[in-house]
Amino acid sequence: DAGITQSPRHKVTETGTPVTLRCHQTENHRYMYWYRQDPGHGLRLIHYSYGVKDTDKGEVSDGYSVSRSKTEDFLLTLESATSSQTSVYFCAISESRGGEKLFFGSGTQLSVL
Amino acid sequence: DQQVKQNSPSLSVQEGRISILNCDYTNSMFDYFLWYKKYPAEGPTFLISISSIKDKNEDGRFTVFLNKSAKHLSLHIVPSQPGDSAVYFCAASAQNNNDMRFGAGTRLTVKP
Repeated sequence: DAGITQSPRHKVTETGTPVTLRCHQTENHRYMYWYRQDPGHGLRLIHYSYGVKDTDKGEVSDGYSVSRSKTEDFLLTLESATSSQTSVYFCAISESRGGEKLFFGSGTQLSVL
Repeated sequence: DQQVKQNSPSLSVQEGRISILNCDYTNSMFDYFLWYKKYPAEGPTFLISISSIKDKNEDGRFTVFLNKSAKHLSLHIVPSQPGDSAVYFCAASAQNNNDMRFGAGTRLTVKP
């Protein structure tokens, strides 16, 4: 199994509070991604990173920011959580871009009340 | 704008029979297609893929077929086993594009 650790695994928070999810990899892969999974939508890309301090937006980036200060860590921040951000969040990694298969973490269940 | 569609939310088959999961896409720029399998409380895991230059790729019990003119792909599992019970996601991407698009998933149940 690819070495990907997501923390926390579960979180309950209140509307308006900031939340940070962490993804840590031990594979030294260049590309890291944050997806959210919602019923009826599958997985949708929030943000991705193609190197330290290099990030870009995905399909559903509004309300989220990311940071990557080290190759192994990719942080997802909800500056002011809303109920619509209740979801399961998955981190993924890949060795190269464009079509490369992704390796996923186990996910973070986030509930915003 | 759902560019990858899995129109069957669920599928139930008998152990030993064939499972056929379908996927349609709308973006003609997609040139690489993948299937992922997901068990509860786990992340998706890669199952099989196919490039747009091929129309079939086989790996053991799993075969993916691609029909580019119809913008359709399917995953065949033969024979199906109870351990195959999971949610299957179809995904597609374009070369040099990091935005891999996923379908909504099909929940496969294989009954003993």
